Amino acid sequence: DTEVTQTPKHLVMGMTNKKSLKCEQHMGHRAMYWYKQKAKKPPELMFVYSYEKLSINESVPSRFSPECPNSSLLNLHLHALQPEDSALYLCASSQEYGLDNYNEQFFGPGTRLTVL
Amino acid sequence: GDSVTQMEGPVTLSEEAFLTINCTYTATGYPSLFWYVQYPGEGLQLLLKATKADDKGSNKGFEATYRKETTSFHLEKGSVQVSDSAVYFCALYQAAGNKLTFGGGTRVLVKP
Repeated sequence: DTEVTQTPKHLVMGMTNKKSLKCEQHMGHRAMYWYKQKAKKPPELMFVYSYEKLSINESVPSRFSPECPNSSLLNLHLHALQPEDSALYLCASSQEYGLDNYNEQFFGPGTRLTVL
Repeated sequence: GDSVTQMEGPVTLSEEAFLTINCTYTATGYPSLFWYVQYPGEGLQLLLKATKADDKGSNKGFEATYRKETTSFHLEKGSVQVSDSAVYFCALYQAAGNKLTFGGGTRVLVKP
């Protein structure tokens, strides 16, 4: 199984809502990532988890709250978002993180988020 | 800091045409270089990679050669198909920074 799955596929939420995005992988990877991708732009790294601990937070606003309950699951909790947060949110995983040699990142299909 | 520049699209081609997407980079040290492809409605897939100068990465008929002297990693395919329509991202990885740096992406549209 070389797949990263993400749910939901689409999400529409108001600025006062609380919602969560979910990502799952069963490849035994110990590093998981959240990226944000605006239309016609490259992905931007948001968070990196390594061995279920937060390793990188790329100065992301606190209205985005990541969680890694176990080595296969990664959540992104959303609260009080702004319309400019509308984007495609991509999850990725890799065998390890922070090594000299690049570990290929496997990407999920993304959740397309619209904030009204 | 590190950066990747790739040609802006969209690039529109007819089936069986030759495709080139230019990519140049700025980085200290010796980064690894990658091409990712994003098909409509999907996440990114690694297309090919090269980890040192003069390496050639190849996959699915696509090729790219790591040219340190020109800091380039141009993507080529000899005969494109409609199914190659996608957005292509050039990227680099530096061990020191521990993250991928992406170019802006190039949208390719292949018409029958």
